[in-house]
Amino acid sequence: QKEVEQDPGPLSVPEGAIVSLNCTYSNSAFQYFMWYRQYSRKGPELLMYTYSSGNKEDGRFTAQLNKASQYVSLLIRDSQPSDSATYLCAMSALGTGANNLFFGTGTRLTVIP
Amino acid sequence: DTAVSQTPKYLVTQMGNDKSIKCEQNLGHDTMYWYKQDSKKFLKIMFSYNNKELIINETVPNRFSPKSPDKAHLNLHINSLELGDSAVYFCASSQQRGLTSYKYFGPGTRLTVT
Repeated sequence: QKEVEQDPGPLSVPEGAIVSLNCTYSNSAFQYFMWYRQYSRKGPELLMYTYSSGNKEDGRFTAQLNKASQYVSLLIRDSQPSDSATYLCAMSALGTGANNLFFGTGTRLTVIP
Repeated sequence: DTAVSQTPKYLVTQMGNDKSIKCEQNLGHDTMYWYKQDSKKFLKIMFSYNNKELIINETVPNRFSPKSPDKAHLNLHINSLELGDSAVYFCASSQQRGLTSYKYFGPGTRLTVT
């Protein structure tokens, strides 16, 4: 079982829709949670991060974290065609080592004009 | 200016060859990384390196070796390429290797082994 599970999609929505992207995790040691956005043929770029349970809002994007239930979500409101990308959740575990950032497999989102 | 750059962008080569991918960051970061992204978009750490310490993911074959001529560069050398090495390789950097260190990724090198 992977430590981070993410529905790979693909997910297609019409422009203006509200999109919810979800990840669950099994390692209770994860303390820092990030969302990366990856456009086709590009490297991932950090979109949002959070470390406490609850919601964190940035424009049309809201990161939701529920540590008790061990899931994180990214909510996109008023989705735009420019939001079409693969969204990767990532989590940091305690301790050192190369493997201190665990990624989900990514959800491919297409927003249709 | 590009923060993290990689060359080449595309690399097509035959099994058994040896190849290198170069990475440079101009962010002044202390730590650099190599990630492998497979066809299902799964990103997996290969190496973490700063000027003091190389940490290797134990699942990485020893045919892969990082080489750092200086703090701003971390190249990836691959010996005896195999079909299963086909993937996109991303270089990344961060200010430090902490839990809260944001990683900046390069554009990726798409390696195809035939």
